[in-house]
Amino acid sequence: EDKVVQSPLSLVVHEGDTVTLNCSYEVTNFRSLLWYKQEKKAPTFLFMLTSSGIEKKSGRLSSILDKKELFSILNITATQTGDSAVYLCAVDYGGSQGNLIFGKGTKLSVKP
Amino acid sequence: GAVVSQHPSWVICKSGTSVKIECRSLDFQATTMFWYRQFPKQSLMLMATSNEGSKATYEQGVEKDKFLINHASLTLSTLTVTSAHPEDSSFYICSARSSPNRVDKNIQYFGAGTRLSVL
Repeated sequence: EDKVVQSPLSLVVHEGDTVTLNCSYEVTNFRSLLWYKQEKKAPTFLFMLTSSGIEKKSGRLSSILDKKELFSILNITATQTGDSAVYLCAVDYGGSQGNLIFGKGTKLSVKP
Repeated sequence: GAVVSQHPSWVICKSGTSVKIECRSLDFQATTMFWYRQFPKQSLMLMATSNEGSKATYEQGVEKDKFLINHASLTLSTLTVTSAHPEDSSFYICSARSSPNRVDKNIQYFGAGTRLSVL
């Protein structure tokens, strides 16, 4: 059965801390892995990863994929209160229509 | 990125009535859109895949007669919850997948979601 597992499920840090969120997966036909940030409503797209070892970076956020060990990490440096959200990891498991399977998410709370 | 608009954001209805939710891709054409359901503190569960000009593909356990999907154009998909009951109360989110010929190809962009409350 295809699955995506995220850890930790929740995390509380203080502003300025660095956090690492984990995502492991088991899917039949891996095509890509995506990270989203969900605040109150819609998940907003962060990164799409398809190749191992190539870091994607956007400001204080970065992510990397390991296709051999079947996991990805999302790093956030110098966290701010605005980073508080649920971070979702999703895997495109190679269906003809690009269907995604989502992990349960990591709830990040950044305290002032 | 691309913008997906979903309306309404919140709807309250009486048991037995039907509710229509719209999902529009505002600045790109989407041959494929997806409908998800999200329960509190749970992840997104795919309900169905909506294809422009053809029938939707439903996930196992999702009643196609209850959740009617229409994808009449390349920028609009609708989900109609028919004869809604309290157990249908949930957060429904749509997404649209960017086309393979875009720079940001094959990424699902999400609408803001619709909170449905059935009394």
